[in-house]
Amino acid sequence: GQQLNQSPQSMFIQEGEDVSMNCTSSSIFNTWLWYKQDPGEGPVLLIALYKAGELTSNGRLTAQFGITRKDSFLNISASIPSDVGIYFCAGQLGAQKLVFGQGTRLTINP
Amino acid sequence: GAVVSQHPSRVICKSGTSVKIECRSLDFQATTMFWYRQFPKKSLMLMATSNEGSKATYEQGVEKDKFLINHASLTLSTLTVTSAHPEDSSFYICSARVGGGSNTEAFFGQGTRLTVV
Repeated sequence: GQQLNQSPQSMFIQEGEDVSMNCTSSSIFNTWLWYKQDPGEGPVLLIALYKAGELTSNGRLTAQFGITRKDSFLNISASIPSDVGIYFCAGQLGAQKLVFGQGTRLTINP
Repeated sequence: GAVVSQHPSRVICKSGTSVKIECRSLDFQATTMFWYRQFPKKSLMLMATSNEGSKATYEQGVEKDKFLINHASLTLSTLTVTSAHPEDSSFYICSARVGGGSNTEAFFGQGTRLTVV
């Protein structure tokens, strides 16, 4: 079945640093979604990408849909303490179910 | 974004009893909802797809008689964990899709922490 490889699995950074994480797939997707999950909560949608090559920003977050439709990255600029959490990428092909990455756990040292 | 509400957020039950978890789409209609299970420090694992007015579609390895899903209306899906055992303790999350065709977004509920004692 389809699998997403998300990296890195964890990141330890200083407050104010930029963050970059990515997902790659062996299969193509029509939609890439990026989520953030806080402890004990459900994932919250950050950015949705629908077109190959699309670059979308949401405040300090920027995500791109790879031109091959098999990868996506998420950047966070000037990290702040509330950015701590687990970030998941998810790919979708048509009306099919979402396929999730393994998650990137972000820890920020003040 | 769309709001998906899940209830309860936490539940503790005795082994052998059944527990019902509700998932509601508050400001949109959802013909399809999804139920996930998440183990500590792991990603979301899809359990089943809940279809309004028809039977749920279960993923391989998920017992349909153990995890009963009912999607009786366009805004409510329920997951019932029957005859719960300690190994069923987990974080259960539902989601619903908004949009059509290839431009769809999935929104998640707050999750339910189930502890079976």
